[in-house]
Amino acid sequence: DIQMTQSPSSLSASVGDRVTITCQASQDITNYLNWYQQRPGKAPKVLIYDASNLETGVPSRFSGSGSGTDFTFTISSLQPEDIATYYCQQYESPPLTFGGGTKVEIK
Amino acid sequence: QVQLQESGPGLVKPSQTLSLTCTVSGGSINSEAYHWSWVRQPAGKGLEWIGRIYSGGSTIYNPSLESRVSISVDTSKNQLSLTLGAVTAADTAVYYCARDVVVVKRLLEHNWFDPWGQGTQVTVSS
Repeated sequence: DIQMTQSPSSLSASVGDRVTITCQASQDITNYLNWYQQRPGKAPKVLIYDASNLETGVPSRFSGSGSGTDFTFTISSLQPEDIATYYCQQYESPPLTFGGGTKVEIK
Repeated sequence: QVQLQESGPGLVKPSQTLSLTCTVSGGSINSEAYHWSWVRQPAGKGLEWIGRIYSGGSTIYNPSLESRVSISVDTSKNQLSLTLGAVTAADTAVYYCARDVVVVKRLLEHNWFDPWGQGTQVTVSS
């Protein structure tokens, strides 16, 4: 199985701050990497697909980059509604696997 | 706007079989443009992919569950189903169904989950 390691596991930042989350794959997954947001008590929602493509309707403050084994997810200006847990997910080869999640809180 | 809704018993006894249904509305489950997956999440923990049924009807499962799991589609009811046998407390989780978007670029398939159902809590306890 491809292991996905996310860091940090949690972070606290102020409104307007730039937030960065990293995701490392245990082997090369090219750009087969998606990012999801899960608000408390809700189902996950895709934000970024194929490492860097913004899903339709998702605010442009969210972005993703990377390829191979190292990926980054960024919120350029943290907003109160961004309080959530964020997950990366690889689909280069089954079983599809997720990172452990990063819980984002407002300071 | 496609919507997914999971349903099934919230409580299952140990060693019994868990059966869930996902009803798809606002679109057809019988489309080559999509596969369909189940994902689960124990309380306070991360996401675990259970398996997928491809648009052509074949299935693939997480090896950690493969001996106990089955996913099927009933096109007449526009429903996706999950069965998980010989359950234990470790199977207690919120279970989500999700549509697997399929985009083919240069003969390579690209996938992401969108949308997801709201999830259904399943507790395994006697």
